[in-house]
Amino acid sequence: EVQLVESGGVVVQPGGSLRLSCAASGFTFTDYPMHWVRQAPGKGLEWVSRITWNGDSTYYADSVKGRFTISRDNSKNSLYLQMNSLRSEDTALYYCAKDGTGFTDYLDYWGRGTLVTVSS
Amino acid sequence: EIVLTQSPATLSLSPGERATLSCRASQPIINYLAWYQQKPGQAPRLLIYDASNRATGIPARFSGSGSGTDFTFTISSLEPEDFAVYYCQHRSGWPLTFGGGTKVEIK
Repeated sequence: EVQLVESGGVVVQPGGSLRLSCAASGFTFTDYPMHWVRQAPGKGLEWVSRITWNGDSTYYADSVKGRFTISRDNSKNSLYLQMNSLRSEDTALYYCAKDGTGFTDYLDYWGRGTLVTVSS
Repeated sequence: EIVLTQSPATLSLSPGERATLSCRASQPIINYLAWYQQKPGQAPRLLIYDASNRATGIPARFSGSGSGTDFTFTISSLEPEDFAVYYCQHRSGWPLTFGGGTKVEIK
């Protein structure tokens, strides 16, 4: 059974930093690109970032480019999101999601999310 | 950036009725479109990919169609568990984007 478990969400002050983690199990982690998607309270979905299976290519939404960094540790079956220079508009539930099996850049499994609140 | 516009924002229907949702892209995206369902307090679930292909385990009452800029998602006969928010998402280049969502609510 595919499982994605996010952690690391907390309340942080504007301008602060945070690292989110996602522990993956139930599939061959190295076979798939991985994504982060966020959802502000009561709002829709916003794709944040993607990383290739080996980490050599990364992609970002314009809203986070230059502030967030996606990475992965295949030896630990883990995905990360380093978030710097946080703003109030980064407040959201952050989901880790797996790239599709048999197709790419659609998200076929999601975690339950970890809540990041940026507030003074 | 490709903008996806979903309509209507809210659809009020009764169980057993047919639901038809629309997603329009700001530029042609071939058939690179997916549909997701999200229920309150839950993560999204992939229903349809590449406009018309059902994901694994998705019931046949869910279907999708379209190409280019105009796409349609249909639930042929609404079950009680289908009342939720539905999002479209493209994969035609970076960044990936989602539509704003359509809420299907009980009338």
